[in-house]
Amino acid sequence: EVQLVESGGGLIQPGGSLRLSCVVSGFTVSSNYLNWVRQAPGKGLEWVSVIYSGGTTYYADSVKGRFTVSRDTAKNTLYLQMNSLRGEDTAVYYCARGTRTDGYNYFDYWGQGTLVTVSS
Amino acid sequence: DIQMTQSPSSLSASVGDRVTITCRASLPINRYLNWYQHKPGKAPKVLIYGAFNLQSGVPSRFSGNGSGTDFALTISSLQPEDFATYYCQQCYSTQYTFGQGTKLDIK
Repeated sequence: EVQLVESGGGLIQPGGSLRLSCVVSGFTVSSNYLNWVRQAPGKGLEWVSVIYSGGTTYYADSVKGRFTVSRDTAKNTLYLQMNSLRGEDTAVYYCARGTRTDGYNYFDYWGQGTLVTVSS
Repeated sequence: DIQMTQSPSSLSASVGDRVTITCRASLPINRYLNWYQHKPGKAPKVLIYGAFNLQSGVPSRFSGNGSGTDFALTISSLQPEDFATYYCQQCYSTQYTFGQGTKLDIK
């Protein structure tokens, strides 16, 4: 059974750092591309970053230079290192597995999310 | 970046109604368009991928169409469990942007 479980959220002061984890099961972190998606309070979904099976990464402009996505194949875990955090980074952060069918990419499995609150 | 614009932002409807939500891309994206359903406190769920392909297990009352810049999600006969927020997402570029969402609630 495919599962993704996020952790690491919490209250952090502006300018601080936090690392989110997403433990996956039912597949390996290197076999699919994996994404982080966030939802700020009262707002919609915002794609944050992706790491492809070959290791290539991409980021939304809003987090580029501050966030870094990585994975540990031995622990089957995806990470999101978040630095220089701002109030607008307050959100529920989801990890989501990407897949490709008939040439089309989409996110087929999601975690339940972890809440990050950036506030003094 | 490719911007995705959904309309309407919110919609009130009744059980049994037929509803359509539209999504417009700022650049042509062929058929690289997905639709998700999101309920509070739950993980988002993919409904449609590649503009019109129904994800396995999704009821056939959901359908999608469109290509290029204009797309639509239609629910043919609303059921109580369909009241949720719906998002389109482009997967044409590697910044997989979402629309701002359409909240569907009970009239």
